[in-house]
Amino acid sequence: GEDVEQSLFLSVREGDSSVINCTYTDSSSTYLYWYKQEPGAGLQLLTYIFSNMDMKQDQRLTVLLNKKDKHLSLRIADTQTGDSAIYFCAEKLTTGSARQLTFGSGTQLTVLP
Amino acid sequence: DTGVSQDPRHKITKRGQNVTFRCDPISEHNRLYWYRQTLGQGPEFLTYFQNEAQLEKSRLLSDRFSAERPKGSFSTLEIQRTEQGDSAMYLCASSYPQGAEAFFGQGTRLTVV
Repeated sequence: GEDVEQSLFLSVREGDSSVINCTYTDSSSTYLYWYKQEPGAGLQLLTYIFSNMDMKQDQRLTVLLNKKDKHLSLRIADTQTGDSAIYFCAEKLTTGSARQLTFGSGTQLTVLP
Repeated sequence: DTGVSQDPRHKITKRGQNVTFRCDPISEHNRLYWYRQTLGQGPEFLTYFQNEAQLEKSRLLSDRFSAERPKGSFSTLEIQRTEQGDSAMYLCASSYPQGAEAFFGQGTRLTVV
């Protein structure tokens, strides 16, 4: 089945690193994504990783993928107050309803001064 | 390119009324998706088009919902006889057919009173 889970809340101090975690259940995922949503706004694509990769780095963002444990994480280095938002993990599958994304419920990141 | 555009941004309607939302995708993108997001949840897939063909519909898309993309460019999502449970953010996204990246619009927030 398709199920993506995330912890609901994370608080960090400005300048620290944030790590947002996600688990998924479908091993046929092809791509896994991180989106950011600010209040009242749509979703901004931050980064994505192909399922045959273990890691992807893009400036302050590092994505780690552990396919064996079906675990995805997003690390934000030097977290800033502007990073406060809801972060969604999503997967794109290869089987069944293959063309849409399945999202988690989101992690609310709060960056404290 | 201005990205994915949705109109209106906000809509308040009385229960039982019909509403229609519009999405203009990124111009080179053949695929267009509609998602619904309720408070505190991640987006849920409703339907998607490749060019003008509606290729997939979620079971969430009841008979009161209809989506069109008549010329393979913009799309409309109509909800007939709105119910309070239809109150949500309706998000549109677009992508290339084989593209990994799906880009979202700012959404239309519907409130049914």
